Amino acid sequence: GAGVSQSPSNKVTEKGKDVELRCDPISGHTALYWYRQSLGQGLEFLIYFQGNSAPDKSGLPSDRFSAERTGGSVSTLTIQRTQQEDSAVYLCASSAGQGANEQFFGPGTRLTVL
Amino acid sequence: GENVEQHPSTLSVQEGDSAVIKCTYSDSASNYFPWYKQELGKRPQLIIDIRSNVGEKKDQRIAVTLNKTAKHFSLHITETQPEDSAVYFCAAAGGTSYGKLTFGQGTILTVHP
Repeated sequence: GAGVSQSPSNKVTEKGKDVELRCDPISGHTALYWYRQSLGQGLEFLIYFQGNSAPDKSGLPSDRFSAERTGGSVSTLTIQRTQQEDSAVYLCASSAGQGANEQFFGPGTRLTVL
Repeated sequence: GENVEQHPSTLSVQEGDSAVIKCTYSDSASNYFPWYKQELGKRPQLIIDIRSNVGEKKDQRIAVTLNKTAKHFSLHITETQPEDSAVYFCAAAGGTSYGKLTFGQGTILTVHP
């Protein structure tokens, strides 16, 4: 079946602009995660959605970052007033069931802020 | 919150040798420990995982060991091959972190033919 997909694959924007990144999880997966990977670095947790529960936003670095998940499926990560330090690969992952289970990653969106 | 430390940051071995990567975690309530392999420009792919009710798990040339008391876990790759060259990440989840993964900083493994 289809895996996790993300769009766009690459996004170049100017400092101060807003961007939206999209994630389509594996069908039926109730959990969806956003991570950020800066060049040569590990993966940094941003936000976590589980079913209809309130999302865990504890990893969002500033109030310029927000995310929503509509209908328990597609998710959009929005970064307002982008800064150069926001440049990174943004990875989405999904998993089945509750709690800690295997997470399947999407290909990521490479964001470059000029 | 959870904190995961990973060592070494780089590891270079000859083809056929074994490679070992070690991680420590801080949250004793964590109960799920996956290892991901990431090739250049690709997405992370799960290669093996272990839960806290098990001490060791093997899958062909790959094994993971977990020491709950010491709060550390290790990845062992035997008979390494050039295609094993990649960045490997350990992670921890569960307990107070619930489903979200806290990753180590990664190990760049290079296998020389």
